[in-house]
Amino acid sequence: KAGVTQTPRYLIKTRGQQVTLSCSPISGHRSVSWYQQTPGQGLQFLFEYFSETQRNKGNFPGRFSGRQFSNSRSEMNVSTLELGDSALYLCASSFRTGGGTEAFFGQGTRLTVV
Amino acid sequence: DQQVKQNSPSLSVQEGRISILNCDYTNSMFDYFLWYKKYPAEGPTFLISISSIKDKNEDGRFTVFLNKSAKHLSLHIVPSQPGDSAVYFCAASAGVSNFGNEKLTFGTGTRLTIIP
Repeated sequence: KAGVTQTPRYLIKTRGQQVTLSCSPISGHRSVSWYQQTPGQGLQFLFEYFSETQRNKGNFPGRFSGRQFSNSRSEMNVSTLELGDSALYLCASSFRTGGGTEAFFGQGTRLTVV
Repeated sequence: DQQVKQNSPSLSVQEGRISILNCDYTNSMFDYFLWYKKYPAEGPTFLISISSIKDKNEDGRFTVFLNKSAKHLSLHIVPSQPGDSAVYFCAASAGVSNFGNEKLTFGTGTRLTIIP
């Protein structure tokens, strides 16, 4: 079974630009979550989508947004990029049975803002 | 407010010995706990989990212990192998029993180095 696929793997953008990251979950998984990893901060939760609806949201500004499509694929968008947005962005998918399931992560997209 | 804390940024252990990684949490609503392992330039890989109704879960060389009264969990790796060298993240979620929250709150990680 294919794992979680994130594209692109690496991205360099200029301050003020916007960026869209893509995530394809494991087949059959309907929940997709996004996390930001920066040195010293661990993984910070951005948001979670299930059945095309945002179910949870972390403490990030409105410049960070996302959506999920009917095939469970998800995109994350960051507008008006700032230098501090440079990070590894990780997508995770899970089956969401409600009994506590592990999330499976993709390899991430390394975003560098210059 | 760091709800999940891993107070040891790094740990070195001799090959063959036991590695013990610790994690503390403050949110009493957390009812599901997970450990992830991460290599550089890769996403975290799920290792083992434990529900709050248990105090121990074992999977091969990996055992997770949960002490709810102390709000503390630990991951034991026995015996430690060179391939175990990685960053280990503790994570927790709340309300999964209500078919709700899939949000994971992560600690900042512990870098484990196994010395051959």
